[in-house]
Amino acid sequence: DAKTTQPTSMDCAEGRAANLPCNHSTISGNEYVYWYRQIHSQGPQYIIHGLKNNETNEMASLIITEDRKSSTLILPHATLRDTAVYYCIVRVANNYGQNFVFGPGTRLSVLP
Amino acid sequence: SAVISQKPSRDICQRGTSLTIQCQVDSQVTMMFWYRQQPGQSLTLIATANQGSEATYESGFVIDKFPISRPNLTFSTLTVSNLSPEDSSIYLCSVDGTGLGRGYTFGSGTRLTVV
Repeated sequence: DAKTTQPTSMDCAEGRAANLPCNHSTISGNEYVYWYRQIHSQGPQYIIHGLKNNETNEMASLIITEDRKSSTLILPHATLRDTAVYYCIVRVANNYGQNFVFGPGTRLSVLP
Repeated sequence: SAVISQKPSRDICQRGTSLTIQCQVDSQVTMMFWYRQQPGQSLTLIATANQGSEATYESGFVIDKFPISRPNLTFSTLTVSNLSPEDSSIYLCSVDGTGLGRGYTFGSGTRLTVV
């Protein structure tokens, strides 16, 4: 799986959009970009994933650059409960024999 | 998506003893994964458990220290043996088969403290 690079930490004001960047310059054509988050003392939680088109669900939006070498996770209206470590992972989708490799992630702090 | 029940949620154990962690899934899944998360660190894969075969361990993890059982498609256990303070971590199980290409579902974890 391609490696990813994320900032170590970020702050965001409550109610504002949180934009979390991820670089994955060595991503392969069949690798998806996945985002998970881990709230303190809980297991990682799936947020969103995408291949090349921008994606949106009830939790977040995922913007992938045209060359697919980077992406941004957007939490449109961050709340205090969004404070967590956010992991960007690239891997082949539906490859059930393959685990997810977690990097250090970005520690997002949503401030009141 | 699959729902995972992981037990115990936390435990404090004496060094030299063992702890067995259970992972129960509400649906049949092919692969189950066990991760370790040391304090302040990210998740590291310990092993992959496939029903009906021996678990596959990652570099740095051995079966004698982390024996795994996978008796059926909904259940697995991880034992952490001969505990030392360095084993104090959160242990998580994860499963595939959530569908829609969403990746994996994780249990809530077991926080182990070795004293």
